[in-house]
Amino acid sequence: NAGVMQNPRHLVRRRGQEARLRCSPMKGHSHVYWYRQLPEEGLKFMVYLQKENIIDESGMPKERFSAEFPKEGPSILRIQQVVRGDSAAYFCASSSGGNQPQHFGDGTRLSIL
Amino acid sequence: QQQVKQSPQSLIVQKGGISIINCAYENTAFDYFPWYQQFPGKGPALLIAIRPDVSEKKEGRFTISFNKSAKQFSLHIMDSQPGDSATYFCAASMNGSQGNLIFGKGTKLSVKP
Repeated sequence: NAGVMQNPRHLVRRRGQEARLRCSPMKGHSHVYWYRQLPEEGLKFMVYLQKENIIDESGMPKERFSAEFPKEGPSILRIQQVVRGDSAAYFCASSSGGNQPQHFGDGTRLSIL
Repeated sequence: QQQVKQSPQSLIVQKGGISIINCAYENTAFDYFPWYQQFPGKGPALLIAIRPDVSEKKEGRFTISFNKSAKQFSLHIMDSQPGDSATYFCAASMNGSQGNLIFGKGTKLSVKP
């Protein structure tokens, strides 16, 4: 009865590199949400996806960030040309939709050197 | 623009005491108010949630009180235990639990033995 799985748990990148964060939702869940958490802060919504569709990307930075949730496989949050300010914990949540609650993974801690 | 304001930032309670955390919101379109508990290095875990058609919801030692006219809601933890020491986040969303969650900045609770 696996929960939301995120990998890697920790990711170190140098400035200018690309970061790829993966999220496998709970079994039976087709709705995925990405959030970013800075130290001592609450989580900030980034993007909401269903299979093959972006439903709400109002929290995504306009440049360098993209997300997908393909028909097969995990959801991917991609950050191109990373900068120091991208250092944060990135959390994925999933739900089965239909007004069901969101369940979170344990996050990916991204550090930029 | 912070749409959910949470207080206090930190809280110290003696074992057996009552922990009270407060949140206030601005957007009257919010219709779902969950509370999450987060331990260091882990993702947020859903504790309890309420919708605006009820004024109180209780689950075990955890109670949400909701005041629609004041646009405030609070979490009460009865008989607080050292194992309750964690960071607690209130959140709010529109469109029920399907909408993206707007989080407060969190309250770090320490329960002293």
